[in-house]
Amino acid sequence: QKEVEQNSGPLSVPEGAIASLNCTYSDRVSQSFFWYRQYSGKSPELIMSIYSNGDKEDGRFTAQLNKASQYVSLLIRDSQPSDSATYLCAVAINFGNEKLTFGTGTRLTIIP
Amino acid sequence: DARVTQTPRHKVTEMGQEVTMRCQPILGHNTVFWYRQTMMQGLELLAYFRNRAPLDDSGMPKDRFSAEMPDATLATLKIQPSEPRDSAVYFCASGFTGTGFNYGYTFGSGTRLTVV
Repeated sequence: QKEVEQNSGPLSVPEGAIASLNCTYSDRVSQSFFWYRQYSGKSPELIMSIYSNGDKEDGRFTAQLNKASQYVSLLIRDSQPSDSATYLCAVAINFGNEKLTFGTGTRLTIIP
Repeated sequence: DARVTQTPRHKVTEMGQEVTMRCQPILGHNTVFWYRQTMMQGLELLAYFRNRAPLDDSGMPKDRFSAEMPDATLATLKIQPSEPRDSAVYFCASGFTGTGFNYGYTFGSGTRLTVV
């Protein structure tokens, strides 16, 4: 079992709709969870962090965490063509909380 | 805008040659990570340093890869000898750790390495 798993997609969503991206992780002691966005040919860019159960909202982005189910998700409301990218879930898996393990990413395409 | 600087951006080399990649972390960040990204494996952690001390290099092939941090403003990743399977994008990332709280890390633009 991989430490961090994501559906590789591609996920196609119409412009203006909600895009939902999911991630599961295997280590129950994980404390910190992140979403990175990576445009083709570019480097990963941190867009959201979440540390406790529940929802965290930042503009059109909402991160959701459920530690009991070992599940973290990212919702993108009012999707725009500029949201088309690969979204990487990252989890700090070690007890020191600094070693980030990444999922393989979900490729999202917003259809105009 | 603070950023992580990596050089070179692109490198094409012949099998067997030595390759050196460099990274300048963001000023004030005490932790530097080296990641490798391929289509098949995604982002893999190779090694990381805190306050210039190596903490973990278990992701790195020891026989050909080496990572060092000669000073707080420079981290290096060397491959000697290089092989075609080393072709990938190598990213450096930096952040501040050690408090038990993780704020996330900033990535550099990467070095795209092609070994022919």
